[in-house]
Amino acid sequence: NAGVTQTPKFQVLKTGQSMTLQCAQDMNHNSMYWYRQDPGMGLRLIYYSASEGTTDKGEVPNGYNVSRLNKREFSLRLESAAPSQTSVYFCACTSGIQNTQYFGPGTRLTVL
Amino acid sequence: RKEVEQDPGPFNVPEGATVAFNCTYSNSASQSFFWYRQDCRKEPKLLMSVYSSGNEDGRFTAQLNRASQYISLLIRDSKLSDSATYLCVVTNTGGFKTIFGAGTRLFVKA
Repeated sequence: NAGVTQTPKFQVLKTGQSMTLQCAQDMNHNSMYWYRQDPGMGLRLIYYSASEGTTDKGEVPNGYNVSRLNKREFSLRLESAAPSQTSVYFCACTSGIQNTQYFGPGTRLTVL
Repeated sequence: RKEVEQDPGPFNVPEGATVAFNCTYSNSASQSFFWYRQDCRKEPKLLMSVYSSGNEDGRFTAQLNRASQYISLLIRDSKLSDSATYLCVVTNTGGFKTIFGAGTRLFVKA
């Protein structure tokens, strides 16, 4: 089992470009999350999906959109990248809110 | 005020030392509590859950004080491999809200 996988691992964008970060899990978990991590800020929730077919905003959703394609996949899209979106992005899944979150290896994004 | 606050450190300790981390949270209705460990340039991984009665896992002991709204992690007999950032995590009811502290960095020296 791969657990949680993310692609790409690294990406450099120019301001205004768009891209989609992919996340997939083979743990059969219902809930999936997208976080960003910046120095001194900790992990901040961008969007989450409690179950297939539902998505909700987290703490910092502006500039992002998400798609819960099926139970396994949850993608994050930047429509028009900005330098403030330079960060490390982590996808996570869990079987329930009170339970352990399992994280992917992260995507390091730089926006110039 | 941040919902979950931790001392950022860094804590620099020699091998064999005992080190304690504290974390405070602001939402009295918080339900679940965890410590995660994050190695440099890696993803966070669960270290241990924290229960009201306190719990221990080998050299690690976690405590929860609901009245004072703080969580602690004690590491005994520190190893070089304990060097990492330790994240305090709190979950609240409704909205699948999980809050991560910014983390406390630990360096264990030989």
